[in-house]
Amino acid sequence: DTEVTQTPKHLVMGMTNKKSLKCEQHMGHRAMYWYKQKAKKPPELMFVYSYEKLSINESVPSRFSPECPNSSLLNLHLHALQPEDSALYLCASSQDGQGAKELLFGSGTQLSVL
Amino acid sequence: AQKITQTQPGMFVQEKEAVTLDCTYDTSDQSYGLFWYKQPSSGEMIFLIYQGSYDEQNATEGRYSLNFQKARKSANLVISASQLGDSAMYFCAMRVLNAGNNRKLIWGLGTSLAVNP
Repeated sequence: DTEVTQTPKHLVMGMTNKKSLKCEQHMGHRAMYWYKQKAKKPPELMFVYSYEKLSINESVPSRFSPECPNSSLLNLHLHALQPEDSALYLCASSQDGQGAKELLFGSGTQLSVL
Repeated sequence: AQKITQTQPGMFVQEKEAVTLDCTYDTSDQSYGLFWYKQPSSGEMIFLIYQGSYDEQNATEGRYSLNFQKARKSANLVISASQLGDSAMYFCAMRVLNAGNNRKLIWGLGTSLAVNP
């Protein structure tokens, strides 16, 4: 299995809702990432987990809460989001957080906040 | 400053022809990696090719090759025999070491490639 799987593919939520994005990989990769991408812009790094520990938080607002239950799973919990948080959320994984050759990305979750 | 520059916001190429997408980088690191990713309209970010700073030979992956000129700090992507399915956004990225001793990717703004039949 050489894929990063993200669910759901699309999500519409109100500003008072609580929802979660899920990411899964079974390649034995020990680093997992959350990126946010606005249309026609490059991805922006949000969080990095390395060996199931949070190693990078790019000053992301607390309404985004990451969780890494085990080495194969990465969640992003969403609460009280704003319309400007509408974007494509990409999960990625790599062999490790230091010297991996490449990040492999999932197909993303397109999030709309109403 | 660590930076990736892609100077071509949009490019057109005729089907079956070759196309070069430009990428220049700036870093003071001795060890770094350069990547190209493809993002179709469906949204998935697809890894294409990687070049390490100490690799002496240009990387190749099928129809993709990376023209690495270290002295000029350029890492251009060459796509040979373009296909309609190559129409997408292409991002150049550089792996660097940040202040917290973690490696992260610096991204360019991307080049939108359209392949004409």
